[in-house]
Amino acid sequence: AQSVTQLDSQVPVFEEAPVELRCNYSSSVSVYLFWYVQYPNQGLQLLLKYLSGSTLVKGINGFEAEFNKSQTSFHLRKPSVHISDTAEYFCAVSGTGGSYIPTFGRGTSLIVHP
Amino acid sequence: KAGVTQTPRYLIKTRGQQVTLSCSPISGHRSVSWYQQTPGQGLQFLFEYFSETQRNKGNFPGRFSGRQFSNSRSEMNVSTLELGDSALYLCASSSSSGLAGLYEQFFGPGTRLTVL
Repeated sequence: AQSVTQLDSQVPVFEEAPVELRCNYSSSVSVYLFWYVQYPNQGLQLLLKYLSGSTLVKGINGFEAEFNKSQTSFHLRKPSVHISDTAEYFCAVSGTGGSYIPTFGRGTSLIVHP
Repeated sequence: KAGVTQTPRYLIKTRGQQVTLSCSPISGHRSVSWYQQTPGQGLQFLFEYFSETQRNKGNFPGRFSGRQFSNSRSEMNVSTLELGDSALYLCASSSSSGLAGLYEQFFGPGTRLTVL
């Protein structure tokens, strides 16, 4: 079984500032990792995913994340945020070779102030 | 391609009633999963259907059920509604083809269910 911890429930930041949303996971097997974004009154949209290869993953809207196996982390970063990035962000993990159903973190609310 | 669609978008029911929610996956996607999203519990997996068969099931009571049709459209049903069933119900589809297809899910906008 896997579990995901998103360390911050809310992250306020000013527009054009950098941001990091933290995600740690726990698993007894190798994992695949995902970040999803949810805008108000919408479903989840995949931002980026790590399945294999380079541990630095680039996604849509200028976001990137780095898979750190030794620290069991998959933090999401953006060098300069916009007002439109205000949303809920979910980290998710799936175990390889077994159930591919993801386990989601509780979410981090990113609030971008002008 | 059209995205995942869910109907209705909003529902208001009273305790004890039953409700059916519908989900149409992306064309060509054969896997449909359902999730319950609440402020208290976050996103919780209900069940997944593939080729009309339930392939995975989460830890929810038997009042929650689902089915999938031959065109991959799926419905979920909640019987004997309780106040705690108020939530956003999300449907997600995946192609189940290849590694990315198996693990990457495409979500619909959800159905907001309010139980009074």
